[in-house]
Amino acid sequence: KAGVTQTPRYLIKTRGQQVTLSCSPISGHRSVSWYQQTPGQGLQFLFEYFSETQRNKGNFPGRFSGRQFSNSRSEMNVSTLELGDSALYLCASSPDRGNMNTEAFFGQGTRLTVV
Amino acid sequence: GDSVTQMEGPVTLSEEAFLTINCTYTATGYPSLFWYVQYPGEGLQLLLKATKADDKGSNKGFEATYRKETTSFHLEKGSVQVSDSAVYFCALSEWSSASKIIFGSGTRLSIRP
Repeated sequence: KAGVTQTPRYLIKTRGQQVTLSCSPISGHRSVSWYQQTPGQGLQFLFEYFSETQRNKGNFPGRFSGRQFSNSRSEMNVSTLELGDSALYLCASSPDRGNMNTEAFFGQGTRLTVV
Repeated sequence: GDSVTQMEGPVTLSEEAFLTINCTYTATGYPSLFWYVQYPGEGLQLLLKATKADDKGSNKGFEATYRKETTSFHLEKGSVQVSDSAVYFCALSEWSSASKIIFGSGTRLSIRP
């Protein structure tokens, strides 16, 4: 069974640009969550999508958005990039939301560098 | 809000030493508790978990017990190996939002041969 796939693995963007990151969950998984990992702030929850609906959101500005498609694949978008958006963005998928015995499986992440 | 506090790193040990990484949490409800591990250049892997008080999670020789009275979930291993070198994250999630995982700051562990 293929794991969580994130593309691209590495990105370099310029301040003010926008970027779209992609996440393909494990087959059959309906929940996809996104996290930002930085040396200063650690791992922070961005948002979660379940059945194409955003079900939970972290404390990030509106420049960070996402969506989920009918095949459960998800994208996140960051507009008007700032230097502080440089981070490792991790995607996690799980079979269902609200089941405490469900494990979240993480992808290898997309390393975004804003210059 | 909910939070997780874990011991600062880095932690450096010799091979076969005993490992403890302390973790405490603050939560309003009845969270599930996790330890994740991140190897260099990789994403996160679930190491172990416990979903209710007094549960013990274990995997690959690592153990942690959910202690509600002390709000703790300390990670232990009796004899570490060089291959255990990684960053370890303590984390929790609440029943009401199980897919929202709140992480500690991470502890970098280095094992000397």
